[in-house]
Formats: sequence, structure tokens, C-alpha cells
Amino acid sequence: GQQLNQSPQSMFIQEGEDVSMNCTSSSIFNTWLWYKQDPGEGPVLLIALYKAGELTSNGRLTAQFGITRKDSFLNISASIPSDVGIYFCAGQGSSNTGKLIFGQGTTLQVKP
Amino acid sequence: GAVVSQHPSRVICKSGTSVKIECRSLDFQATTMFWYRQFPKQSLMLMATSNEGSKATYEQGVEKDKFLINHASLTLSTLTVTSAHPEDSSFYICSARDTLGYTDTQYFGPGTRLTVL
Repeated sequence: GQQLNQSPQSMFIQEGEDVSMNCTSSSIFNTWLWYKQDPGEGPVLLIALYKAGELTSNGRLTAQFGITRKDSFLNISASIPSDVGIYFCAGQGSSNTGKLIFGQGTTLQVKP
Repeated sequence: GAVVSQHPSRVICKSGTSVKIECRSLDFQATTMFWYRQFPKQSLMLMATSNEGSKATYEQGVEKDKFLINHASLTLSTLTVTSAHPEDSSFYICSARDTLGYTDTQYFGPGTRLTVL
């Protein structure tokens, strides 16, 4: 079945630094979604990507849908302490079920 | 973005009892909702797909008689954990599918922490 590899697994950075994380898939996705999850909360949608090559920004966040449709990255610029959390990528395949395949998550820690 | 609520946010129950969790899409209609389970430090594991007006579709290894799902309206799906046992203790999260226009996005509820004593 479809699998997503998300990296890095964790990051510990200094406040103000830029962050980059990515996901790769063994098969093609039609939609890529990036979520952030705080402890004890549900995932919150950050960016949704629907077209190959699409580059979308949301404040300090930028994400791209890879041309091959098998990968996506998320960048966070000028990190701040509230960026701490777990970031998940999720991909949706060609079936119309709406099911998402999730990456393993990237845990981000920001040192003030 | 769209808002999805879950109730209760946390519940503690005795072994053998049943627990019902509600998932509501507050500002959009969702013909499809999903139920996930998440263990500490792990990603989300899809349990089942809840379709309005029809039977839920369960993922492999998820007992349908254990985890009863009802999607009676376009804004409400419920998950009932029947005869709960300590191994059912987990963080349960629902999501609602929004397919308005050309988008196809899932919005998640805040989750329900279930503890079975």
C-alpha cells in the first residue's frame, strides 16, 4: 500500500532559524496537506496543496506540491517558540474515498 | 478554516462500560467523516470511514462490533466504544471531509482522551 516517509523525525533549533521538512511517497498523490498538532489537541490544517508544482504560503509557512506528485515540503521561516509541536504531512490518492495517508510526523522544538 | 468539535474532550470510565463520542462539523456539511486513534508519540491511525446514511467502512483489524459508528446527519457522526477495556484507552480524533468547490480537505476535531480503568 501507499506509504509516506517524513523527515526529519525531530528538530531542535534556535529561535529565528528557518526550518524545512519533507515527505516522500512511493506512489502518486492528488492532494498534499500539512497539519500541526499540539500536545493533547487535534491536528490543525496549515496548508493544502491540490496541483503538482503548486507553491503556497501561509504567513511564515511555505509548502510545495512536488512536480512528480510523490513529494512535498514545508518550510517555516524565522521560527518562534509557538512553532513548537508535531508537524504531519498527509497525502490523498486517486481513490474518491477521501482517505489520508499520514507521515510519521516531525517534532519541532524551538529554543528561545 | 472549518470547525469540527468533539464531545467529550476527555472521559474516564470503568472497564465493561460503553462510551459514546460525538463529532460535529459546525459550519459545513460533511457526507464523510473519519475516526482515528492515536497512541503517544505516534501518527494517526485510521479506524473507519463514516458515511452519512450508510454503514461505516472499517480498516483492517478494527472490530466493527467493538467500535460502533453512526452518521445520522450531515453534521454529526458518533463513535461508541462498547464494553471498553483498559487497552482501549487512547486518544480518539475525528475529522470531517470538506469537498466544497475543487478542494478536498479534512478538518480535525480536538480529540477525546479515553481512559478505561
